[in-house]
Amino acid sequence: DVKVTQSSRYLVKRTGEKVFLECVQDMDHENMFWYRQDPGLGLRLIYFSYDVKMKEKGDIPEGYSVSREKKERFSLILESASTNQTSMYLCASSLGTSSKETQYFGPGTRLLVL
Amino acid sequence: RKEVEQDPGPFNVPEGATVAFNCTYSNSASQSFFWYRQDCRKEPKLLMSVYSSGNEDGRFTAQLNRASQYISLLIRDSKLSDSATYLCVVNNLGGSNYKLTFGKGTLLTVNP
Repeated sequence: DVKVTQSSRYLVKRTGEKVFLECVQDMDHENMFWYRQDPGLGLRLIYFSYDVKMKEKGDIPEGYSVSREKKERFSLILESASTNQTSMYLCASSLGTSSKETQYFGPGTRLLVL
Repeated sequence: RKEVEQDPGPFNVPEGATVAFNCTYSNSASQSFFWYRQDCRKEPKLLMSVYSSGNEDGRFTAQLNRASQYISLLIRDSKLSDSATYLCVVNNLGGSNYKLTFGKGTLLTVNP
């Protein structure tokens, strides 16, 4: 079974703090993704990576950065957290670049920025 | 037209009912299509892929109409455990890589 883990299930941070969300997958997948999910807006892609040290912007990258130093780990960084970044953050991974690839999701991190 | 648009729901049905979800997508060059299921406060999980000829998995049937850019999911003999949010998902080529675009989801509640 594919396993995608995220470092925290719940996180509370203050405005202006630097926040790190970590994601690890154990299936040697090439691709990793970060989404946020908000009521009424659905899942939106923040950043993704198709290879180590490679990253591409998704649909809403502003206010975020990412790091992929190792194949199994993909980190999302909020340089200076703001209240509008309160959300559910979901990490996903997939094996390759075929159009039929399934993405497997981690359990999510609920982030509250006060 | 939104990239992926679903019935807004919510749907409330009794056990044993048949329920259908509809979805439209705007990019005629979309490559592949999926239905994901998301339980309350959990992550999305793949329910089934959708193929041009239509496909069935037990009580679940998915259909794709490329000409109309329309996808559907039919659930027969619904169970309490089918209660979840159903996400229509489209895979598009963005640059040199594929990206999933998710609909906002349709909430289904199956009542005893």
